[in-house]
Amino acid sequence: QSSLTQPASVSGSPGQSITISCTGTNSDVGGHKYVSWYQHHPGKAPKLMIYEVSNRPSGVPDRFSGSKSGNAASLTISGLQAEDDADYYCSSYTNSSSPYVFGTGTKVTVL
Amino acid sequence: QVQLQESGPGLVKPSQTLSLTCTVSGDSISNGGYYWSWIRHHPGEGLEWIGYIYYRGTTYYNTSLKSRVTISVDTSKNQFSLKLTSVTAADTAVYYCARNGRSRYCSGNTCRPYYVDYWGQGTLVTVSS
Repeated sequence: QSSLTQPASVSGSPGQSITISCTGTNSDVGGHKYVSWYQHHPGKAPKLMIYEVSNRPSGVPDRFSGSKSGNAASLTISGLQAEDDADYYCSSYTNSSSPYVFGTGTKVTVL
Repeated sequence: QVQLQESGPGLVKPSQTLSLTCTVSGDSISNGGYYWSWIRHHPGEGLEWIGYIYYRGTTYYNTSLKSRVTISVDTSKNQFSLKLTSVTAADTAVYYCARNGRSRYCSGNTCRPYYVDYWGQGTLVTVSS
């Protein structure tokens, strides 16, 4: 199945806010409230940051927030910090034979 | 804290079988309630769900890989494993094992998990002669 579309890269200075978009279809992002976001520092295990569009697991800073409108979801990082420099992937439940589909990934660079 | 660790050969010859094992710590697979997945990431491409298994042995596979994939579980060792047969260069990827979140979405008679709450750090498998 096709991947969800994310921008290849987003950058910001410490303290700024950035938003990463994740665009899908009516069969995934638009049709369900089950969007999740993962942070991945290369060489380490990816980490769940957001699930069910806007819920944060315990331990995830409230600087991270998620939202959804139509076929697009977003992850916003407020008060950008050096440790936020990583790759971010969205994912959504899908009506296809696979239970979820992933985004193409976004490299966040903290300047 | 749940931790997962993949292990297995980093190099597999074309047409042979890729075999990986995931060792789980911090949780017992036999406690039930979770699906345990394999996911891969092709270089320069997106992530792809391969399949998952329930502790009782029930499996679900990506239809595009179903004819070549087997996922099994060994609750006595708290491990689950992946076998992918007849590999080609297209199977070169970083392979992750993962635990799916407990929540599931149900449609009709089918209930499926919809996110991953813990991942392994991944292992690169290269298919080359």
